[in-house]
Amino acid sequence: KAGVTQTPRYLIKTRGQQVTLSCSPISGHRSVSWYQQTPGQGLQFLFEYFSETQRNKGNFPGRFSGRQFSNSRSEMNVSTLELGDSALYLCASSLVGGPNQPQHFGDGTRLSIL
Amino acid sequence: EDQVTQSPEALRLQEGESSSLNCSYTVSGLRGLFWYRQDPGKGPEFLFTLYSAGEEKEKERLKATLTKKESFLHITAPKPEDSATYLCAVSDSWGKLQFGAGTQVVVTP
Repeated sequence: KAGVTQTPRYLIKTRGQQVTLSCSPISGHRSVSWYQQTPGQGLQFLFEYFSETQRNKGNFPGRFSGRQFSNSRSEMNVSTLELGDSALYLCASSLVGGPNQPQHFGDGTRLSIL
Repeated sequence: EDQVTQSPEALRLQEGESSSLNCSYTVSGLRGLFWYRQDPGKGPEFLFTLYSAGEEKEKERLKATLTKKESFLHITAPKPEDSATYLCAVSDSWGKLQFGAGTQVVVTP
C-alpha cells in the first residue's frame, strides 16, 4: 500500500514569492493535516481538511492556506514568503481524522527561502 | 494551555544498553497519546497510540506505557538501527496533534 506522497521534495524560493505544495494521502484516507517543522519550534499544526472542508486550524497567519479536492488530495499555499517560512512542511493522512486515529506522515517538502 | 515535554533532549546508548524516554503532558482531557519515530530527512513514522492510564503497547524492542501525567518509551537492548528522534504527541478532540520537542537517540555498536 502506497504511503503519503508529497511533491516536490525540495523547493527554493525568494522572499515575496508564493508557493504551492502537494500531498496525496494513503488510498482510502479522507483526512489530511499539514504541519510545519523547524529546529526552533518543532512540529506545529497548520490545518486539517476532511471532505474538502477545513475542519481545524492552527495559529498561523492567513498567508498559509490550503484546500482539498474530491479525491482527498490536498494542496497547501503560502503567499508573500518570508525568511521565517523556511521549514519542512509535512502532510499527514488518516481515515476520517479525529482523536482516535493515528496520522501517517509523508517525507515532507523542504522549503528554503532566500 | 496544553503542554508536551520530552526528556532527555538527547540520549547516547551503547548497543544492548536499555533505557527509557519520558513524555509528560498537561492537557484538559487526554484523547490519545502517540509515539512516532523520525529519521533524518524523513517524516515521522507512527509507532503507538495509547488512550488510558495503565495501557501498554509493544513492538520489537520498544514498549510504551501511559500514566495519568506521563508516558514512557522503553527501549530494550537497543541496536544501532534504533537510532532516531522519538517524538510524542497528544491529540485534542479534533485530532490535532501537539508534539513534544523530541528525544534524539544514538545507539553505538
